[in-house]
Amino acid sequence: KQEVTQIPAALSVPEGENLVLNCSFTDSAIYNLQWFRQDPGKGLTSLLLIQSSQREQTSGRLNASLDKSSGRSTLYIAASQPGDSATYLCAVTLDRGSTLGRLYFGRGTQLTVWP
Amino acid sequence: DGGITQSPKYLFRKEGQNVTLSCEQNLNHDAMYWYRQDPGQGLRLIYYSQIVNDFQKGDIAEGYSVSREKKESFPLTVTSAQKNPTAFYLCASKVERNTEAFFGQGTRLTVV
Repeated sequence: KQEVTQIPAALSVPEGENLVLNCSFTDSAIYNLQWFRQDPGKGLTSLLLIQSSQREQTSGRLNASLDKSSGRSTLYIAASQPGDSATYLCAVTLDRGSTLGRLYFGRGTQLTVWP
Repeated sequence: DGGITQSPKYLFRKEGQNVTLSCEQNLNHDAMYWYRQDPGQGLRLIYYSQIVNDFQKGDIAEGYSVSREKKESFPLTVTSAQKNPTAFYLCASKVERNTEAFFGQGTRLTVV
């Protein structure tokens, strides 16, 4: 069974800091890994999708890396802003069996960026 | 605009009642999913469907039922057999199994 772990569970930083969120997974046979953002009481917003053949993806101030063989991904946020405050979730899709593309989620990192 | 619409946003259920959560997508996606989110826990898969008239149980399907009569619709029924239904429910879709997932805005269900 795929287990996804996110560290840290919570993070509080001053505005302007660069920060790294970590995600690890136990089964490296993945199609892809996706990072999401969730604001309180809201649905998930897709931030970045990394295919298993890729090493990293970038979108604006966000950069996600993937080391499939070691079962790790990091989300790097540059020059953090108060508007970045949210819960960040990573999820993987397995490349095996009849899982039909289901996502396996970590519990998330709750980020607070204070002015 | 293309997207996934979940309704209602808030739902209250009395003991012994069945309720149905709506999920509609106009993205022309084949695969659809229902997840449950509880505080302090990761999202857990309830049901998923790859094509019309076919669906599979996820990790916590007991007390829930679904249908997939149309490609764009995947309603979830929370039955009276679900003893602890209070949670946030999220619907998602993909073009196919190895592509990007998109989510709706969720339905918060509360037992009263």
